[in-house]
Amino acid sequence: AQRVTQPEKLLSVFKGAPVELKCNYSYSGSPELFWYVQYSRQRLQLLLRHISRESIKGFTADLNKGETSFHLKKPFAQEEDSAMYYCALGYSSASKIIFGSGTRLSIRP
Amino acid sequence: GAVVSQHPSWVICKSGTSVKIECRSLDFQATTMFWYRQFPKQSLMLMATSNEGSKATYEQGVEKDKFLINHASLTLSTLTVTSAHPEDSSFYICSGIRGLEAGELFFGEGSRLTVL
Repeated sequence: AQRVTQPEKLLSVFKGAPVELKCNYSYSGSPELFWYVQYSRQRLQLLLRHISRESIKGFTADLNKGETSFHLKKPFAQEEDSAMYYCALGYSSASKIIFGSGTRLSIRP
Repeated sequence: GAVVSQHPSWVICKSGTSVKIECRSLDFQATTMFWYRQFPKQSLMLMATSNEGSKATYEQGVEKDKFLINHASLTLSTLTVTSAHPEDSSFYICSGIRGLEAGELFFGEGSRLTVL
């Protein structure tokens, strides 16, 4: 069955420190992976997707099919990065998209 | 970016009543809309996928007679919680996909349902 796993419920790092939010997926087909972010009192929004291979707000994520992972990374955390981050898996030609349980990122000053 | 609007943002109802939540794509045509349910401090659980003009596809464990979904137009999908009970209290979120663009979901602000 398709599944997205985010092992960390909360990740707290100091400003300026590197950040890595882990995401592993389970899907036998060709996956589409995304990271969505929800800032305080705002709606969910797309942060980045693996097919675009771009860096958004300093975040990058590389799809590792061998490890079935799509970890989100940023070299230097900023306070405004504090938010809830969800890893998502799209399958069946993106006719379905499921989410991991989310990781709350807290950046300490 | 595309905008999805949900209404109402919060509804309180008595047990046994039915509640309708609307999800509108304001500036794009959503060929597919997804309905999610979010429990406190938990992730989004996909309830159903609705395509304009056809019946919704429900996820396993979601009662289709309980959660009626209608996607009558490319800009409007509705979720009706029938005969609501306190255990239906939750945060319901809709999202839409614009055209055939895979993957980028545009989310509504969510609707909180409280059943007394």
